[in-house]
Amino acid sequence: GQNIDQPTEMTATEGAIVQINCTYQTSGFNGLFWYQQHAGEAPTFLSYNVLDGLEEKGRFSSFLSRSKGYSYLLLKELQMKDSASYLCAVRDNTDKLIFGTGTRLQVFP
Amino acid sequence: DGGITQSPKYLFRKEGQNVTLSCEQNLNHDAMYWYRQDPGQGLRLIYYSQIVNDFQKGDIAEGYSVSREKKESFPLTVTSAQKNPTAFYLCASGPVGEVGTEAFFGQGTRLTVV
Repeated sequence: GQNIDQPTEMTATEGAIVQINCTYQTSGFNGLFWYQQHAGEAPTFLSYNVLDGLEEKGRFSSFLSRSKGYSYLLLKELQMKDSASYLCAVRDNTDKLIFGTGTRLQVFP
Repeated sequence: DGGITQSPKYLFRKEGQNVTLSCEQNLNHDAMYWYRQDPGQGLRLIYYSQIVNDFQKGDIAEGYSVSREKKESFPLTVTSAQKNPTAFYLCASGPVGEVGTEAFFGQGTRLTVV
């Protein structure tokens, strides 16, 4: 079966750095996506990885290792507005987009 | 403006009634998806479609039906066979086969069955 795992909850302090991990087992691989979702709202796109390595986008970076079936999202200089759920998603070889359960991040002052 | 629109934002229905949720996109995307989200949970795939007049079941298709008569539209019907239909429903659209292009989400429909 297809499986995407993330920690359920994480906490961090304003100004700190946090790393959210994602491991996956899917039928083929056509890219990994990270989305941010605030409570009651639709997810918004953060980052995309299809090749191994690190992709940096301002305060957010995402890393991928295809051989390990592993990705992480790194958030730097945390702000209170970063309190949200972070969803890891994989597009498989049929273009099906599968999501993990999401990681709820709480940032404290 | 290009985008994906779900309507309505909030929907109330009596138990035993079928209800249809609308999803329209003008992004020229081939693929469209329906997800269900329960409180504090991730997104679970109900149905998806990669081309007009064709669709596939996701992980939790029982009690739901869809159609894809036009590229722009992918309505979801929640039938009376769905045992616990109260949830947040999200529609998304995306490309097929294009590397690096993400899926976009509608604003969601919060369905409450009483």
